[in-house]
Amino acid sequence: GAGVSQSPSNKVTEKGKDVELRCDPISGHTALYWYRQSLGQGLEFLIYFQGNSAPDKSGLPSDRFSAERTGGSVSTLTIQRTQQEDSAVYLCASSLIWGNYGYTFGSGTRLTVV
Amino acid sequence: QQQVKQSPQSLIVQKGGISIINCAYENTAFDYFPWYQQFPGKGPALLIAIRPDVSEKKEGRFTISFNKSAKQFSLHIMDSQPGDSATYFCAASRSRGQGAQKLVFGQGTRLTINP
Repeated sequence: GAGVSQSPSNKVTEKGKDVELRCDPISGHTALYWYRQSLGQGLEFLIYFQGNSAPDKSGLPSDRFSAERTGGSVSTLTIQRTQQEDSAVYLCASSLIWGNYGYTFGSGTRLTVV
Repeated sequence: QQQVKQSPQSLIVQKGGISIINCAYENTAFDYFPWYQQFPGKGPALLIAIRPDVSEKKEGRFTISFNKSAKQFSLHIMDSQPGDSATYFCAASRSRGQGAQKLVFGQGTRLTINP
């Protein structure tokens, strides 16, 4: 597609439930990133995929968070046993690694845990 | 070492004025410094970026000034317009080594341009 697509755009879930957030990057982009943006805050790095290399999971806040990227394309971020502090906008970005360091972000998924 | 500090948190400028947002970093391995613009309900979009081999980069009304010795860089918006009202993020990354390609973001500046 022309841009990074994220779904759903909004998700309301009950505390304790599991959620899956999807990211469809720009075709041909080898790198994919997940960031979290809490209300009025900056962007917090979560996880980074680059080609077939092992992902950089150093930003995941707890073992309730996990992500996978299938076939080097679509990625899913899963949050298990959601807590109210997980409420935030989850942003996905993709980039071409060589010669272009600019990320292209999707519009995000706004997650609300009630 | 990985932090990027951004100021001010919010800024109000009159139409036609100059908006200035500042960032400071600690990690001397950083070699790429972009600025992103974010409108409500949208993801951040790349605005302009600079590498440390130059001290200034200009694109239209937007200019990045870079001071390598002070480890600081700033965004200047000339002739600010109401359409520039948005949240601006500075960021930094390194090309090589641990954490390469991963952008570290500042906390953001909410800019309001009064008509």
